[in-house]
Parts: sequence; C-alpha cells; structure tokens
Amino acid sequence: DTGVSQDPRHKITKRGQNVTFRCDPISEHNRLYWYRQTLGQGPEFLTYFQNEAQLEKSRLLSDRFSAERPKGSFSTLEIQRTEQGDSAMYLCASSLGSLADTQYFGPGTRLTVL
Amino acid sequence: AQSVTQPDIHITVSEGASLELRCNYSYGATPYLFWYVQSPGQGLQLLLKYFSGDTLVQGIKGFEAEFKRSQSSFNLRKPSVHWSDAAEYFCAVAPLGGGNKLTFGTGTQLKVEL
Repeated sequence: DTGVSQDPRHKITKRGQNVTFRCDPISEHNRLYWYRQTLGQGPEFLTYFQNEAQLEKSRLLSDRFSAERPKGSFSTLEIQRTEQGDSAMYLCASSLGSLADTQYFGPGTRLTVL
Repeated sequence: AQSVTQPDIHITVSEGASLELRCNYSYGATPYLFWYVQSPGQGLQLLLKYFSGDTLVQGIKGFEAEFKRSQSSFNLRKPSVHWSDAAEYFCAVAPLGGGNKLTFGTGTQLKVEL
C-alpha cells in the first residue's frame, strides 16, 4: 500500500494557461474524490468517481474544470483558462467504496496562478 | 445543506495539558462524523470516525471524540498533548449513504508550548 499520490506537488502558472493534475489512488480503491482547499479554509468537495463513472459534481466545479478517470484507476483534473481565484491546494482522496468507508488523502497539488 | 462549525480558529496548550477541540454540525439526520489532522506538507490523516453505536470513539495517537446528539456536537479530546500534536485539525461530516462526500469545518490550528 503506497498511499494516494499526486503529481505535481506544486504548479505555478500564468493566468489564462491550462493546467492538469494527476492523482493515483490506492490500488484496490473504487472511489476517487477531488477537493479544493484555500488558505484558512477546510477542503471543499469538487467531484467524485465510482470506478470510471463521475457520479457527482459540486457547483464549485465550473465549466473550466474537467475531471476524468478513464480506466477506473488514476484520475486527472484539468483547469482551463486559469484565473487567480483558482490558486489553491487540490486534494485527491480514495476509498474502497463501501458504505461509510474511510477516505485516504494524498499530499495535494498546490496551484499558484500569477 | 449540511454545515460544520469549528468555533476555535487557534488554540494554544502547554505540552502535557489536556485538549478539547469543538465541533458542531448542522444536518437533517445524524451524519457520519470524522476528525482529520493536517500537518504542514502532509496529507490529511484520519484520527477517528463515528458511524453508530458507542458515542465515545477512540482513535489513533491517543485521541478520542464524543458524539452528543442533543448538542449536535462531536468534540475531540486528548488527555495529555505532545509537542508533535501541533497541527491543524478538521472536523468533517458525510451524509448517510450516497457517495460519502465530506463537508469540512474551517479547522482549528493547534499550537503546543513546551
């Protein structure tokens, strides 16, 4: 069990650029979640997958954001035309997918939009 | 919509002293309840969780939490704090059934004085 990994750990980009983050969940986990955490706040739910199906998206996930989990394993989160307000820590978590199970979090990707 | 309130933004305790971090939730029914800890550069780590049954829950690192339905509270406690406990602590709730997406409080930053 190597835990949840995220890549890159840090990303600095200019406003208007596109960025993509990757999350590799714990291997046997069926569910994968994305959260966003801004300074001084708790993480906020963005979206989650059950295997390759995206089952729920938050209103926070504007049309500039897209997430995929093509083979039910790793996931990518893409932000198009980044804005300064997108600067945050993007967290990924995975879980087995059973009722009331535990989510295990990765270390996060810190995005800074200049 | 569910919400989580952590009324204490910062708490400072002396090493060896007891600790209680407060958490109140607002939800239509009793949700699943969690406490996570986040250290700088580290991912969120689950301390403990409550789903049902005994209202006093034991977790890792000597932490415990008590669920009080009448007060909609789930306060975290530790009888004797260690310097390594300095971190940010988040209370979170998840709805019964349906994806287990977490709603987090804003966190309590714990400082431990030696």
